[in-house]
Amino acid sequence: GAVVSQHPSWVICKSGTSVKIECRSLDFQATTMFWYRQFPKQSLMLMATSNEGSKATYEQGVEKDKFLINHASLTLSTLTVTSAHPEDSSFYICSSYPGTGRSDTQYFGPGTRLTVL
Amino acid sequence: AQTVTQSQPEMSVQEAETVTLSCTYDTSESDYYLFWYKQPPSRQMILVIRQEAYKQQNATENRFSVNFQKAAKSFSLKISDSQLGDAAMYFCAYSEGGNAGNMLTFGGGTRLMVKP
Repeated sequence: GAVVSQHPSWVICKSGTSVKIECRSLDFQATTMFWYRQFPKQSLMLMATSNEGSKATYEQGVEKDKFLINHASLTLSTLTVTSAHPEDSSFYICSSYPGTGRSDTQYFGPGTRLTVL
Repeated sequence: AQTVTQSQPEMSVQEAETVTLSCTYDTSESDYYLFWYKQPPSRQMILVIRQEAYKQQNATENRFSVNFQKAAKSFSLKISDSQLGDAAMYFCAYSEGGNAGNMLTFGGGTRLMVKP
């Protein structure tokens, strides 16, 4: 099956620093990647949709200057949390979509737990 | 905006028994997909089953089946012969359009506990 990886799986950082999270589709090319955030004991909320070579589309209420998304290639999307604060502590999950030619399914990464001290 | 509602925050089932998880959604679209995802303690999202809105036949995957009532906008998941490994959070999700490559809107989730 298709595999999506995320790195790091867990990161702890100090308030005010920036953190980069990578999402890679390992055995397929993703036309679209999605970034979700999940607070403890809550559901997943879409943050942004990322297409290779174009600017990400952010959901209402998500600060695009704080959560920078770069879809550098068809296999890699990065989410950078700039000037992180404790309220940004959350579980960040990406999903990748290979297109209708391959099972027409989104594949999820294992998630990244961010803790901001 | 589309909304997905799961009215059961927690459910419990005896091992080997059957349990049904409820999901309702709101949309004005005619083309869409519905999904059930499982999130175990590892937090890896696992696709359990999917249903294309244009298909009248309910989807089945081994012990998992759905009851898709399009007019009522209801999409319940039935787990037969429940196993200990089925214990997890279950999320119902909606995706608009004619393929599965659009954003997912998730329900609030149902925590399923399986008693030995």
